[in-house]
Amino acid sequence: AQRVTQPEKLLSVFKGAPVELKCNYSYSGSPELFWYVQYSRQRLQLLLRHISRESIKGFTADLNKGETSFHLKKPFAQEEDSAMYYCALSPRYGQNFVFGPGTRLSVLP
Amino acid sequence: DGGITQSPKYLFRKEGQNVTLSCEQNLNHDAMYWYRQDPGQGLRLIYYSQIVNDFQKGDIAEGYSVSREKKESFPLTVTSAQKNPTAFYLCASSGLAGSVGEQFFGPGTRLTVL
Repeated sequence: AQRVTQPEKLLSVFKGAPVELKCNYSYSGSPELFWYVQYSRQRLQLLLRHISRESIKGFTADLNKGETSFHLKKPFAQEEDSAMYYCALSPRYGQNFVFGPGTRLSVLP
Repeated sequence: DGGITQSPKYLFRKEGQNVTLSCEQNLNHDAMYWYRQDPGQGLRLIYYSQIVNDFQKGDIAEGYSVSREKKESFPLTVTSAQKNPTAFYLCASSGLAGSVGEQFFGPGTRLTVL
């Protein structure tokens, strides 16, 4: 069965510190992986997807198939990064996203 | 900020009543979804539809019903059979049925059962 885990419910870092939000998945095939973000009073939106290999707002995420992980990283956190972050998995050629429980990132001044 | 809209923003319901949450999209997307968002549990899929007049149950469909009579619309009815309906409900859509793509989310409806 497909499953996404995010071990940290809450992660607090100071401004300027590196941040890593962990995501692990279980899936027998080769999934598509995504990070979604929900800022306060805004709708849930896509941050990045592994297939595009982009850096969005300074965030990157590398798919590690051996460790079945897709951790989200940023070298220098900003206060505006404070939000709820969800890791999500979609099987190839399917539409049934599976979301992780989410990690609330709080960047302290 | 159009694209996908949900109404109402807040909804109050008495126990034993059915309520219907609206979801409309003008993105010409084939697939639409309903999720329930609870603190600490992430998003859980209630129902999804990949094409008009067809829909499938998600992980937590009990106590909910949907219809997909038009491509643009995917209303969700929360029935009196739903044991714990107080939650934040999110609707989403994505482009092509059967393909992998970004999901676009609506602003959500917060349902409170009194």
